[in-house]
Formats: sequence, C-alpha cells, structure tokens
Amino acid sequence: DVQLVESGGDLVQPGGSLRLSCAASGFIFSNYWMSWVRQAPGKGLEWAANINQDGSQKYFVDSVKGRFTITRDNAKNSLFLQMNSLRAEDTAVYYCARERRGAAGNLGFDVWGQGTLVTVSS
Amino acid sequence: DIQMTQSPSTLSASVGDRVTITCRTSQSVSTWLAWYQQKPGKAPKPLIYEASSLESGVPSRFSGSGSGTEFTLTISSLQPDDFATYYCQYRGTFGQGTKVEIK
Repeated sequence: DVQLVESGGDLVQPGGSLRLSCAASGFIFSNYWMSWVRQAPGKGLEWAANINQDGSQKYFVDSVKGRFTITRDNAKNSLFLQMNSLRAEDTAVYYCARERRGAAGNLGFDVWGQGTLVTVSS
Repeated sequence: DIQMTQSPSTLSASVGDRVTITCRTSQSVSTWLAWYQQKPGKAPKPLIYEASSLESGVPSRFSGSGSGTEFTLTISSLQPDDFATYYCQYRGTFGQGTKVEIK
C-alpha cells in the first residue's frame, strides 16, 4: 500500500527547534515532488513547503522562509522538515503529502500522511 | 498571490440532497484545481483533480466541473458519510473550506 507516516511532533517552547520526519512506502519516492501542509487548530489547510525529486528545488510559504528547511533522503525514502525559531502561530498538525505534477506544476496532493502535531507554547 | 473563495462557508443539508459547493479564484487557473474532503481529526482525502477527474476509489456521486475562475464540486445524493469539510486547492493555495452539516 502507498503510505506516508509522519513523526517528530512535540511540545516546544517559542524560539525552539523541531525536526519532523515522513517515511514513505509503497511507491518510488525518488520520482515525486513532496510537500508539507499544515493545519492550525480549528483552521483550514496551509501549504508550508515543497521539494523536488532530487532536492535541488525548494519552496516555502512566506511565513516560514528563513526559519524552516525541507530536505529528503531518497535512499531512505524519507522527507524532513527542520523548523527553527518556532512561534506560537506555527502550532498545527503537519501533514506530509505527495504531489501530483503536470506541465503547470502542482496539480494536487494525491497521498497524505496521518499528520503529526506541533505545539509551540511556554 | 492568487486568492480562492469558497461558498458557502457552511451548508446544511439532508441525506439524499444534491449539494453544490463553489470555488472562485482571483485569476484563471485553467483546470488545475483539486478538491478534498476532511473529517475531524483525519487527514484530507483527495476527491477530484484537474477540476473534473475523480480520484481512484471515490464514489461516482462526487463530480467536479469548471474552468478558468469558477469551479463546482457536486454531490449528487448526499450520504451520511459525506458530512465533512471540503476544500478546493490550486498549487500552494487552499480555499477556506465548506462545512457540510446535517440539517
């Protein structure tokens, strides 16, 4: 079965750091763009970051630029999100998602993980 | 940046009703629009991609249409399992969501 499993969510103080992981299985991970999508409590979905197949292209939503880094290890079928200088507004469930791509770029997210909760609070 | 507006924000309906949700974009996105269903505490479930293509395993009562700046998600006969929140999406932007509630 195609599957994404996130881990690493935790309670962290403002200004702290956290590293999220996403383990992929059931598909050729190195063939796909991957994204992190987050959802604050009671709020809608917000795309946070994505990375291309070989890690040479990375994009971020403005609110996390300079604080978050996205990487991948294709040999281990894993995606990562390094989050530094965390703020209360980063509190959210973070989902790992596989992108469907076409000539126009992202056409949607066709596989999602179950999510991992990040809480930023003192 | 592109803006996406879903309407209504909340919809009250009964089992068996035909339900339509609209997503409008601030500029043309051709047919590069997707729809998702989300239930409380769960990950979003992909329903539709490229405006009208049904994801594998999604019941045929779900359909999508539109192009340019106006899109619709239609549920032809609402079932108990369909009470959820629905989101449209184009590239890195999601609509604000439409909650379908029991009337």
